[in-house]
Amino acid sequence: GAGVSQSPSNKVTEKGKDVELRCDPISGHTALYWYRQSLGQGLEFLIYFQGNSAPDKSGLPSDRFSAERTGGSVSTLTIQRTQQEDSAVYLCASSPDRATQETQYFGPGTRLLVL
Amino acid sequence: DAKTTQPPSMDCAEGRAANLPCNHSTISGNEYVYWYRQIHSQGPQYIIHGLKNNETNEMASLIITEDRKSSTLILPHATLRDTAVYYCIVRVNNAGNMLTFGGGTRLMVKP
Repeated sequence: GAGVSQSPSNKVTEKGKDVELRCDPISGHTALYWYRQSLGQGLEFLIYFQGNSAPDKSGLPSDRFSAERTGGSVSTLTIQRTQQEDSAVYLCASSPDRATQETQYFGPGTRLLVL
Repeated sequence: DAKTTQPPSMDCAEGRAANLPCNHSTISGNEYVYWYRQIHSQGPQYIIHGLKNNETNEMASLIITEDRKSSTLILPHATLRDTAVYYCIVRVNNAGNMLTFGGGTRLMVKP
């Protein structure tokens, strides 16, 4: 079946502009995660959505970052007033219902470059 | 989550088995061993996971020692496309438990 998809695959923007990154999780998966990965680095957790529960925003690095998940499916990560240090690969992952074993399936990522 | 230790790099000849070790001596009874890999410029890919029994799927086999303090991921017939960084993670199997990758093992499959 279809995996996690993300768009755009690449985004180049100027410092100070806002960007929106989209994630389409695997159909039926109730959990959705956003991570980012800087060049050669590990994963940095950003935010977690589970069903209709309030999201876990504990990983968001600043108030310029926000995310929403509409209808329990598609999610959008928004970065306002982008800075050069925001340049990274932004990864989305989804996993099935919490009653089952919790394996995360990743999308291909959005490569963000802030000039 | 328990800390894991992996060799930073390994080489393997194409067509041969790749055996990737992982030490997790402080693993707790309710923690699973997960393996992911990340091919260059791609998102992480789930490979396999297990609690205490050995596991096998279409991608790999996972051998967990009886004391659960170490494990080995086996790619039975490595191909050039298996060149990637392989991450061993020990974690409680709860939803909402974000992934944390350590350094991993950079596997280079050579022709």
